[in-house]
Amino acid sequence: GAGVSQSPRYKVAKRGQDVALRCDPISGHVSLFWYQQALGQGPEFLTYFQNEAQLDKSGLPSDRFFAERPEGSVSTLKIQRTQQEDSAVYLCASSLAGTGLYEQYFGPGTRLTVT
Amino acid sequence: QKEVEQNSGPLSVPEGAIASLNCTYSDRGSQSFFWYRQYSGKSPELIMFIYSNGDKEDGRFTAQLNKASQYVSLLIRDSQPSDSATYLCAVRSGGGADGLTFGKGTHLIIQP
Repeated sequence: GAGVSQSPRYKVAKRGQDVALRCDPISGHVSLFWYQQALGQGPEFLTYFQNEAQLDKSGLPSDRFFAERPEGSVSTLKIQRTQQEDSAVYLCASSLAGTGLYEQYFGPGTRLTVT
Repeated sequence: QKEVEQNSGPLSVPEGAIASLNCTYSDRGSQSFFWYRQYSGKSPELIMFIYSNGDKEDGRFTAQLNKASQYVSLLIRDSQPSDSATYLCAVRSGGGADGLTFGKGTHLIIQP
């Protein structure tokens, strides 16, 4: 089936604007993850959902970051009052985790540039 | 704090040779280990995972895990120019913490 999809692929925001990034996981994958990848770095964990429950949000860098997955499928990562340091690629991944299978598959990412 | 360490490289290997990529991790309770390949401007692509001590082979790729030494490696046999990419090592701690901790990646260059 189709892989993980993300939209938009590119987003330019002026400092102070709010943005919303969407992730559509692989069909049937119960777990969904958000990561932030700065240039030249590995991805850094932000938050994790199992179905609609947000089980871990320890990686969210500030209270300006908020994620939801209300029906256990599509997820939205929202960043309020964007700052220049929020510029990065935001990656979504999904997996069957919860069934003993922990491999995570990534979407293409959303490149956010805050000017 | 959980850490995953990789040599950033670049690691240059002649075409047809074996490329050896290494990774160490700090959390002794880590349970699952993954290698991702990332081409410039693209997202990470899962190429290998290993959960038990020892070797795991898949085509030209072999992952090796030594939990006692907290060491994971990836061997790529018969390296091809298309293998040139950044290789990311990722670790899952388990115990309900399902987010992965990534290293910074090793930049591999296969010289034709």
